[in-house]
Amino acid sequence: TQLLEQSPQFLSIQEGENLTVYCNSSSVFSSLQWYRQEPGEGPVLLVTVVTGGEVKKLKRLTFQFGDARKDSSLHITAAQPGDTGLYLCAGVWGAQKLVFGQGTRLTINP
Amino acid sequence: NAGVTQTPKFQVLKTGQSMTLQCAQDMNHEYMSWYRQDPGMGLRLIHYSVGAGITDQGEVPNGYNVSRSTTEDFPLRLLSAAPSQTSVYFCASRTGTAVTGELFFGEGSRLTVL
Repeated sequence: TQLLEQSPQFLSIQEGENLTVYCNSSSVFSSLQWYRQEPGEGPVLLVTVVTGGEVKKLKRLTFQFGDARKDSSLHITAAQPGDTGLYLCAGVWGAQKLVFGQGTRLTINP
Repeated sequence: NAGVTQTPKFQVLKTGQSMTLQCAQDMNHEYMSWYRQDPGMGLRLIHYSVGAGITDQGEVPNGYNVSRSTTEDFPLRLLSAAPSQTSVYFCASRTGTAVTGELFFGEGSRLTVL
């Protein structure tokens, strides 16, 4: 059983479209991170959100942490082919545990 | 700018063989960890270390051993490889012990057990 469920698991859209991917849990996390992973490479941190209701923006990417700190979303505006990759959310749970979701594989078609 | 270096990048083993995946970081990070990544499962923590001489188990430690004799190195040993250990393995490190810190990952080691 996944502590963190990401949806959708796969998403393929055209360049220029907007999209939102989700990271949900029944557990409360003290903070949550989003990573992007490209083929043949390790994940790279995009953002950390720590406060319920927090919104962070990174150029065309908007990250939100739910008020109850059980969920998060990533919204991409005007998607570009360079946004293609596997997006992973990771929640801080327990003293030293960072738990990852299964990821959303995003493909942006030119 | 090396960061986290993993070797080998690819390895094929037969069931029952043993091997060691190497991980080295040059950022003087206290925390190091090993994850495995399987389709549809995300990244699962195998073992981690908060400093030289200190290691602890993660979610899926069975079949793996680790040691941390230096700050830089954190090898992962497979004692008797099984097909269920076919996976992509990632080593990651971060500065300090705050779990909210940024994890820096290596490029991964793809292991196939026949």
